[in-house]
Amino acid sequence: GAGVSQSPSNKVTEKGKDVELRCDPISGHTALYWYRQSLGQGLEFLIYFQGNSAPDKSGLPSDRFSAERTGGSVSTLTIQRTQQEDSAVYLCASSLDPRNGYTFGSGTRLTVV
Amino acid sequence: QKEVEQDPGPLSVPEGAIVSLNCTYSNSAFQYFMWYRQYSRKGPELLMYTYSSGNKEDGRFTAQVDKSSKYISLFIRDSQPSDSATYLCAMSAKINSGYSTLTFGKGTMLLVSP
Repeated sequence: GAGVSQSPSNKVTEKGKDVELRCDPISGHTALYWYRQSLGQGLEFLIYFQGNSAPDKSGLPSDRFSAERTGGSVSTLTIQRTQQEDSAVYLCASSLDPRNGYTFGSGTRLTVV
Repeated sequence: QKEVEQDPGPLSVPEGAIVSLNCTYSNSAFQYFMWYRQYSRKGPELLMYTYSSGNKEDGRFTAQVDKSSKYISLFIRDSQPSDSATYLCAMSAKINSGYSTLTFGKGTMLLVSP
């Protein structure tokens, strides 16, 4: 596609429920990233996929968070047993050459009530 | 000390002013430096990209990198109300055969009044 597409754009969920966030990267981009942006906290790295290599999961804050990327394209970030502190904007980005920066989607705004 | 420090602002200027936005960093391995602009409720968009030290100019925007001081700047000339946004610096290092993920500053909110 023309850009990075994320869905849903907004999600309100009850504490304890599981949520799935979807990212459709730019076609041909081999690298895909998930970041979290909380108010006043900046962008926090979560996970990175590069081609067929094992993902870099070093940024995932707890074992409630997981992500997968199917067929080297679409990625899903899953948060189990959501907590209020999970409320944030979850941003997905993709790139062909990371030295030239990433292209971000508009994000999914997650609110846990 | 955080790896990347950036004053959150807000920075308020009148239209036409020259704006200076800055970041400092602690990791001397950073080689690739970027500036992103983020409008409210949108994802960040890449504005400028530089490698190592030096200057890069693109229209009204100039990016400067001083690796000896671990300091990067973004200058905006003839600022416009449409420049009102949050500006994030980001940087990465070369590691082994690849590149590290981007480390971001917290962003500086810029308000340009007509």
